[in-house]
Amino acid sequence: DAGVIQSPRHEVTEMGQEVTLRCKPISGHNSLFWYRQTMMRGLELLIYFNNNVPIDDSGMPEDRFSAKMPNASFSTLKIQPSEPRDSAVYFCASRGDRGGNEQFFGPGTRLTVL
Amino acid sequence: GENVEQHPSTLSVQEGDSAVIKCTYSDSASNYFPWYKQELGKGPQLIIDIRSNVGEKKDQRIAVTLNKTAKHFSLHITETQPEDSAVYFCAVRTTGNTGKLIFGQGTTLQVKP
Repeated sequence: DAGVIQSPRHEVTEMGQEVTLRCKPISGHNSLFWYRQTMMRGLELLIYFNNNVPIDDSGMPEDRFSAKMPNASFSTLKIQPSEPRDSAVYFCASRGDRGGNEQFFGPGTRLTVL
Repeated sequence: GENVEQHPSTLSVQEGDSAVIKCTYSDSASNYFPWYKQELGKGPQLIIDIRSNVGEKKDQRIAVTLNKTAKHFSLHITETQPEDSAVYFCAVRTTGNTGKLIFGQGTTLQVKP
């Protein structure tokens, strides 16, 4: 298995632009998590899907952030409009019921908003 | 909500020595406590975990201990090696079986050869 796949790995954009981050979870996993990692705030859960349905989005910072999971093999995290304070590494993780509790993380997308 | 505190934030040890990282949590109903290792440029990776019905778990050079009464758990790494250098995160899963993890702030471990 290729593991969790995220794209792009690096994104540099200008303030005000729309940014879309993509994630392909491990095949067969039914839970998907989006995290943001910064030096100041550490690893924060943004949103959590189970069977493609958003279960907990209490970590989404504001309306500029949105996430979708149209099917079991794909999810997006969109920021519109982006701001410099959104600069961070964004991780996607997936978990399967049969695998127990372990969350498998992708390699992350490093976002820089100028 | 759940609050997780992790200490120390940085730890430097000599190769071969032991390293201990501690975490405390606030919700006594929490039931699952994993530890993740994050190497530079990579996502966190699970290295060991423990459930609330177990007090200690060991896997080769790493072990985790849990004290439910005091609401704290610790990661122990023995015979440290330079490749153990990384950032380590503790996490706590809250009740309800939703799988939501609350992470500690992380500990940067440096193992000096």
